Amino acid sequence: DAKTTQPPSMDCAEGRAANLPCNHSTISGNEYVYWYRQIHSQGPQYIIHGLKNNETNEMASLIITEDRKSSTLILPHATLRDTAVYYCIVDNYGQNFVFGPGTRLSVLP
Amino acid sequence: SQTIHQWPATLVQPVGSPLSLECTVEGTSNPNLYWYRQAAGRGLQLLFYSVGIGQISSEVPQNLSASRPQDRQFILSSKKLLLSDSGFYLCAWSVRDDQPQHFGDGTRLSIL
Repeated sequence: DAKTTQPPSMDCAEGRAANLPCNHSTISGNEYVYWYRQIHSQGPQYIIHGLKNNETNEMASLIITEDRKSSTLILPHATLRDTAVYYCIVDNYGQNFVFGPGTRLSVLP
Repeated sequence: SQTIHQWPATLVQPVGSPLSLECTVEGTSNPNLYWYRQAAGRGLQLLFYSVGIGQISSEVPQNLSASRPQDRQFILSSKKLLLSDSGFYLCAWSVRDDQPQHFGDGTRLSIL
């Protein structure tokens, strides 16, 4: 079973920020939070990961709460190409990724 | 830069036939390698992972097997396919345990 809980679907207007939440209330101290996305019929694409601190890269920002029990992936300016299923994964050694159903993000024109 | 190749992209096989899917990684040495399966409308399920040549860990009992004959080659096999083996098979690699996994484009397998 996945260690994370995500809303099944979300909509976002093109050009606006998309904020995707993830709950991981049972996360342990050495577990990272990873985010991936999967566009239909393709392999999952790595987006970002973090342990405690907030992280930012060219794709997105990851905000992790101080107690680490939840996080938010932020796509600052969503485009139609960002329409995908987004997966939040919690794991310590990166060997036993458990992908839940994820959040289906629809970016609307 | 590192790249991962999977082939074939699509495959249609009859029930009871054998299977061999191949995955290779370029641009890195001694990667961790993974095989996943995604059934239609479902999440990804980890099938096998390998931390080195000849070292295979199985996550789920099934009629599939995996082998790693070379450092950057990972093969998924079956002697006799079942209808339930249909799905989207994905290979992934990572530099080391706590680093993110990177996925190939997958093989869509249909069993008739």
